[in-house]
Amino acid sequence: QVQLQESGPGLVKPSQTLSLTCTVSGGSISSGSYYWSWIRQPAGKGLEWIGRIYTSGSTNYNPSLKSRVTISVDTSKNQFSLKLRSVTAADTALYYCARDQWSGSSHNPTSYYFDYWGQGTLVTVSS
Amino acid sequence: QSVLTQPPSASGTPGQRVTISCSGSRSNIGSKTVNWYQQLPGTAPKLLIYSNNQRPSGVPARFSGSKSGTSASLAISGLQSEDEADYYCAAWDDSLNGHVVFGGGTKLTVL
Repeated sequence: QVQLQESGPGLVKPSQTLSLTCTVSGGSISSGSYYWSWIRQPAGKGLEWIGRIYTSGSTNYNPSLKSRVTISVDTSKNQFSLKLRSVTAADTALYYCARDQWSGSSHNPTSYYFDYWGQGTLVTVSS
Repeated sequence: QSVLTQPPSASGTPGQRVTISCSGSRSNIGSKTVNWYQQLPGTAPKLLIYSNNQRPSGVPARFSGSKSGTSASLAISGLQSEDEADYYCAAWDDSLNGHVVFGGGTKLTVL
């Protein structure tokens, strides 16, 4: 059974960089044709996809966040990470990591969904 | 504002059948499959329906999904109190180099 666990600082100052790590257990992050995603949810609001990474290092980002986001992977540690630069209060949210399932073309999949999720970690942006 | 449009709320009484709609466009629902997630209070979202109408192992058969054109629906029959949750639709969108889009979520209340 795959499990994902987010970790990182719960408080980040405005204009600084938010950094989170997702540790995958119960299987190798490199096995299978999976992408790995970050998703966030502001309090009382809906879900927003941040971006994804393949174990080769290939990434895709939400167009609205692309200029501030970097997602990386460390297969030796079975982890992938999120960096969000120049944060503001609007970036305060619960951040989830997830495993992606897809079919069709990896760049333009016909089917794309998240089958395993972490429990989420709250990040507050405040001075 | 979410790319996919859902009603903000829905309600029903125990045993009733309720449906939640999700409207999109040609670049997402119109050409891709739709997924539904259930988020119980204080928990992470859980995959409920994938590829329009497929249920993951462990999801009761009273949850079903359908898609027509650029719209999709989630139906819950035999409504139970434990179904009270937020429900989100989602799909891949092939515009702007491709990305995942979500609906704004529907809060289901069991009266």
